Amino acid sequence: KAGVTQTPRYLIKTRGQQVTLSCSPISGHRSVSWYQQTPGQGLQFLFEYFSETQRNKGNFPGRFSGRQFSNSRSEMNVSTLELGDSALYLCASSPRTVGGYTFGSGTRLTVV
Amino acid sequence: GDSVTQMEGPVTLSEEAFLTINCTYTATGYPSLFWYVQYPGEGLQLLLKATKADDKGSNKGFEATYRKETTSFHLEKGSVQVSDSAVYFCALSDPQAGTALIFGKGTTLSVSS
Repeated sequence: KAGVTQTPRYLIKTRGQQVTLSCSPISGHRSVSWYQQTPGQGLQFLFEYFSETQRNKGNFPGRFSGRQFSNSRSEMNVSTLELGDSALYLCASSPRTVGGYTFGSGTRLTVV
Repeated sequence: GDSVTQMEGPVTLSEEAFLTINCTYTATGYPSLFWYVQYPGEGLQLLLKATKADDKGSNKGFEATYRKETTSFHLEKGSVQVSDSAVYFCALSDPQAGTALIFGKGTTLSVSS
């Protein structure tokens, strides 16, 4: 059974650019959530999608957005990148609306 | 709002020592509780979970008991190995609050032989 796949694994972008990260959940999982991990702030919740609807959103500026497709794959987009957006972005999928989260290996974003 | 507090690290132990990592939580509803582990350069792996009060989660020699009266979910292992060196995260998900996972800050465990 394939796990949660995040692409790309590593990304280097310049300040002001935008970036799109992709997450393919485990087959059959309809819930996808995104998290930002930094040394200073730890793991912070970005947003969660279930059946193409955003169920919840963390405390991040509007530059951070996401969506989920009918096949449950999800993307997150960050516009007008700032140096502070450098982080490991983790995606997790779940077969239910709550609990049982399986994480991908993450996308390491570096903003220069 | 909901929150998780876990003991600050790093925790440094010798092989075969006893491990405890403390975790307490605040939640409005009846959360599920989790311990995740992160090895260097990797994502998070679920170590164990408990979904209701007095449940005990266990895996790979690690265990934690959901204590509603003390709002705690402490992680324990009787005999640690070098391969247990990693960062451990306590987390909750609370359906009443409509949240996904809320994490503690993480505790770094270093085990030496």
